[in-house]
Amino acid sequence: QSVLTQPPSASGTPGQSVTMFCSGSGSNIGSNSVNWYQQVSGTAPKLLIYRNNQRPSGVPDRFSGSKSGASASLAISGLQSEDEADYYCATWDDSLNGPVFGGGTKLTVL
Amino acid sequence: QLQLQESGPGLMKPSETLSLTCSVYSGSISSSSYYWGWIRQPPGKGLEWLGSIYFSGNTYYNPSLRSRVTVSVDTSKKQFSLKLTSVTATDTAVYYCARSRWGGFNSGWYWYFDLWGRGTLVTVSS
Repeated sequence: QSVLTQPPSASGTPGQSVTMFCSGSGSNIGSNSVNWYQQVSGTAPKLLIYRNNQRPSGVPDRFSGSKSGASASLAISGLQSEDEADYYCATWDDSLNGPVFGGGTKLTVL
Repeated sequence: QLQLQESGPGLMKPSETLSLTCSVYSGSISSSSYYWGWIRQPPGKGLEWLGSIYFSGNTYYNPSLRSRVTVSVDTSKKQFSLKLTSVTATDTAVYYCARSRWGGFNSGWYWYFDLWGRGTLVTVSS
């Protein structure tokens, strides 16, 4: 059972926009910034969004993040086949005194 | 470009102690901006943080594994290590080492893993 809650799956067709959600509590998302990781099958996770809405160098601006209260979301516009991957939200948890992950959302590009 | 590489045994028996090492290439392990840590992923499942260490030796551990996990650092070798005692089949996973950036942010904290190793599969089986 993950500390952060994510829906297990999402899908979209090429060119569409899709939004994934992540729910936490006051001790984690409600207090600290949220990060998102992309994991393509068989590879290591890659940082996609940090500090709620910042993109590392090289991440397309099709990816955007936001946070409101104890929830966060990741939006992908202009969906591409290479976006098919697992997406994990994560943040620091003040009660556990460590970083926590969501269970991940598997994005399928139809 | 800094790189991380995990090394350690791929197959273990129940009750043994898992030891993994992460080597840091083309960069410093002694930067004040980073923690160095371990995350694992059982086959077909999500990510679980195990523990992280600062170059000075300060550590954070996952409370659910604290009694079994030790993370250490050797700055002279530019390596940090994971020990996990009394392994069972449920410890079978891909183990990743990763670098974290951290700091204060808008009255809270930011902590994110900005660089990951490729991961190493550890299988626990009798």
